[in-house]
Parts: sequence; structure tokens; C-alpha cells
Amino acid sequence: AQKITQTQPGMFVQEKEAVTLDCTYDTSDQSYGLFWYKQPSSGEMIFLIYQGSYDEQNATEGRYSLNFQKARKSANLVISASQLGDSAMYFCAMREGRSSASKIIFGSGTRLSIRP
Amino acid sequence: DTAVSQTPKYLVTQMGNDKSIKCEQNLGHDTMYWYKQDSKKFLKIMFSYNNKELIINETVPNRFSPKSPDKAHLNLHINSLELGDSAVYFCASSRVSAGMGNEQFFGPGTRLTVL
Repeated sequence: AQKITQTQPGMFVQEKEAVTLDCTYDTSDQSYGLFWYKQPSSGEMIFLIYQGSYDEQNATEGRYSLNFQKARKSANLVISASQLGDSAMYFCAMREGRSSASKIIFGSGTRLSIRP
Repeated sequence: DTAVSQTPKYLVTQMGNDKSIKCEQNLGHDTMYWYKQDSKKFLKIMFSYNNKELIINETVPNRFSPKSPDKAHLNLHINSLELGDSAVYFCASSRVSAGMGNEQFFGPGTRLTVL
């Protein structure tokens, strides 16, 4: 069964608009962590934001925020005021369990394209 | 000031050959990883070492053998290369002692092409 599901293989958004990238996850653990990474066309993986399962507030990092809805098991990434440089693949990922050394499982990614 | 570096960046080789990819991190992290990203961009963990000890070993053919000579280095050796091994291999590191939110820092990737 898919642990991390990203249902949007590709998205097009107008520059300066906000965009929401969907991510749902499946776990029976109470303790887990959710991550978002960006992979531009140059290929490197860039960490964007983290949300812990016990965090009461939604995580924010600059223009990135994570819309964490625990009951729905969703962890959507919101990018405000999109820029051309935001065009990239975006991966949602999850670390399960109490061990901070446990593996991270990645979703299949969403390719975001920003139109000028 | 490269945080996680990999060599080589590109590797083109014939089926049946043996090759190695090297990874080094200068972040003082205690854990290192190898990932494989296939042509559909799917990223899957292969191995993880914590303080030179193997802690994650996914279902990977035993032609793949990681080696961690010290905490800053994690190399990947692949024997008898097959066409299906063609992919981008990423090394990553993190400080797991920082807790559950320890993010992984990725290297630039090594694009392996097996002909």
C-alpha cells in the first residue's frame, strides 16, 4: 500500500499566485514526521519544510507553509506568491515511528510549472 | 563549501562491469544514506549508516555493497552492473541525534548509465 500519495503528477500555475500541492499519508504510528523537498531541473534535492505529528501549529518557512490536517492524514504544501524559480518537482515524504534514524519514504512527486 | 559531495557526477559503463560511487559530507552528521531515483523520478532508500553501523538495508540486490570507512564517508560499490541499474544515485546525510525532524541533506547525485 502507498504510504505517501501525491495525486497531482503535474500542475501549472500563474506567477504570483498561491499554489497548494497535495499530499496524503498512511500510517498507524502516533509519532511520525512529514517533509517536503524540492528538486529543480538541475537535479539536487532541497529540503523545504518539516512537520512533526505532535506539532500543534502548522509549520511555516518563508513562502512555504504546511497545511497539516491530522485527522485527514494530509500534509499539503502551500507556496505563496509563486515565482518562476519555484518550477520544479516537489516530493512529500514521511518518517514513521519514534526513531529519528528510521527511514524516510517519499511520494511520487508533483511537477510544478510556473507560467510568467 | 560543499556540504555533501559525490563523485563521479556522471558514470557511463558497460554491462557486467564493477563500479564505485563515493560520497563525503562535511556537516559533522552521524548518519548517511544512499537513495536510487529511477527514470520516473521515484526516490527509494537503499542503505543507511549511523556512526559507521548499517541500520537500514532495503531489499537491494547483493551486487550493491555500501562501505563506510568513517562517519564522513559512505561509498557504494556495484558489481556486475545490469541495464536496470541505470538511475540517479543520491547520497544524503543527517544528524539523527537532532530528533525526528532531522532533515536529510542530499548530494548532487550520480547519474549512472549502463550500456
